[in-house]
Amino acid sequence: GESVGLHLPTLSVQEGDNSIINCAYSNSASDYFIWYKQESGKGPQFIIDIRSNMDKRQGQRVTVLLNKTVKHLSLQIAATQPGDSAVYFCAEPGNQFYFGTGTSLTVIP
Amino acid sequence: GAVVSQHPSWVICKSGTSVKIECRSLDFQATTMFWYRQFPKQSLMLMATSNEGSKATYEQGVEKDKFLINHASLTLSTLTVTSAHPEDSSFYICSASWGQGRDYGYTFGSGTRLTVV
Repeated sequence: GESVGLHLPTLSVQEGDNSIINCAYSNSASDYFIWYKQESGKGPQFIIDIRSNMDKRQGQRVTVLLNKTVKHLSLQIAATQPGDSAVYFCAEPGNQFYFGTGTSLTVIP
Repeated sequence: GAVVSQHPSWVICKSGTSVKIECRSLDFQATTMFWYRQFPKQSLMLMATSNEGSKATYEQGVEKDKFLINHASLTLSTLTVTSAHPEDSSFYICSASWGQGRDYGYTFGSGTRLTVV
């Protein structure tokens, strides 16, 4: 969705647990979504993407779920590690490329 | 593949001076590039979208005369912050789109930390 510059929500998980990060979007016509990870002081890094003709896509330790009915995306990280600590954004590229608010994930050793 | 190089990674400038930030696609042609700014603990805010050879499209509230964008080639876009002031201090990030049809994506630069003193 469109970035509104809100302060980031936070999520803390224990190392080894699974993490779930959620994202809502507003444009029902959106057909492509990307999850990015941003570490402090760095640019966003691509994690995984999904197209609207899919409900689920898996990568290495990550799974993205897409629920078009309620316009909701989630990113699941399995066996969360300290290196996963970062801010996670969902984005729906189009003519403009807006980012969601983001979620700051902290992994507790 | 699809690497975007952004320079400088950080810059400190005096108030009133201008600063140029470069964004280069190293191994692909970037028809469209995006410029963002990001304040601490906030999301990326899209400033403008630029297409090679045409004028950039600025988001509402972004001063086009202050943030000059030039996308003169398929591998280079520049953002110039003119007459910078302390409130312009921020993290600026570029992104470039690659590919076409069903095989396309977006790659980000590593960002530029601008501090205006």
